[in-house]
Order: sequence, then structure tokens, then C-alpha cells
Amino acid sequence: AQSVTQLDSHVSVSEGTPVLLRCNYSSSYSPSLFWYVQHPNKGLQLLLKYTSAATLVKGINGFEAEFKKSETSFHLTKPSAHMSDAAEYFCVVSEDAGGTSYGKLTFGQGTILTVHP
Amino acid sequence: EAGVTQFPSHSVIEKGQTVTLRCDPISGHDNLYWYRRVMGKEIKFLLHFVKESKQDESGMPNNRFLAERTGGTYSTLKVQPAELEDSGVYFCASSQALAGRRYFGPGTRLTVT
Repeated sequence: AQSVTQLDSHVSVSEGTPVLLRCNYSSSYSPSLFWYVQHPNKGLQLLLKYTSAATLVKGINGFEAEFKKSETSFHLTKPSAHMSDAAEYFCVVSEDAGGTSYGKLTFGQGTILTVHP
Repeated sequence: EAGVTQFPSHSVIEKGQTVTLRCDPISGHDNLYWYRRVMGKEIKFLLHFVKESKQDESGMPNNRFLAERTGGTYSTLKVQPAELEDSGVYFCASSQALAGRRYFGPGTRLTVT
């Protein structure tokens, strides 16, 4: 079984300061991990994806995440927040058992990021 | 390329009524998924179609929910009869391959009063 825990339901930062959104996962097999973002009235957009290649994954809009197996973490970071980053962010896991990718994604509870001027 | 579209964007119905949600995936995407988020909870998987076949419907909450994908193109999700706890946002996603990138629609917000 797989699960995802996003450690903060809300994160508030000032524009220009770093962003850290925390995620821990649990998976029985080799997981694929994702971060999605949802802006108001928009669909979920893929920010980045980890699939057992490099442990530091770079995504769109300056975001990156580091896969740490020993800590079962996949935290999302950005060096400098922009007002347009205000949105809800989801950490997601998909199990990959025996080389077969499953269709089901398991979502974390979401973290709402607020960016103050 | 058009994205995943969902209709309606918002539906308000009374308890006991029937509602049908529609999802149009990206053209050529064989895989279609339904997810939903009830208030205050995480987004949860409902089911997965490969073309017109149900590959996995383990997330369907009960037999009041019926999903179809006739012809392997668009899909509908019918709730009959609707209950208060069915309120939430229903998302549809599609992908070309099973392990491929999923593209999500904007969701349908269902409110049952």
C-alpha cells in the first residue's frame, strides 16, 4: 500500500523568500513521485516527476524536489517565491511494482501556499 | 492541442436527484481516470478506463455511482440518487500510455443540498 503525508496544510511566505513544502511518502515498491499544482479554477498541472533517475528533480517555474529514500521524503523547494506561485500544491505517489506502472495515483492532503507582497 | 475538458463546471442539485458529469479526454488518450475531492479531504482515485474497458474501479464508493466510456472517447459519471456526502470536486484525467503523463481537467464542483 502507498500513502502520502503533506506536513503543512498552509504555508505563508513573503515574495522573494524561499519556499519549502514538505512531503513524506510510504510505498511498498519503487515509487514514482510527483508534485502537482492547482491554481484557482484551473486543472491540476504537473510541476515535476521523480522516477528513480537523479534524486534532485528540477521542474517548471523554478521549483525542484529532492528524493531522499532514507527519510522517505520528497520536499518541494523554490529559492525565491513569486506572487504567481500562490496556489495549492499536491504531493503524489504512484507505485511501480515489478516494472509495471499502475494507473492509480495517491494524493497528499494538499498545501495551500500564500505569497505576501 | 485541446486539454481535458469537463462539463459542467459546477452543479447544484438536491438530495435524491440524479447528476451526470462528463469528461472529454485529450484526443488519442486511451487512459481516462476519475478522481474526486470531498471537502477537507485528499483527492481520491475513483476508477480507470483503458479505452472503453474499466481497468480498475476499486475507488468507486458505492453502487450509486456509474461510470461509462462508450466508444472509448468521452466518459460520463452518473450519481443516482445523490447524497449530501457526494458533494465535492470531481476531476478527470487522461494519458496516452499507462505510465504516461496525466493531464487533468479543471474539475466539476458538485454541491448536493
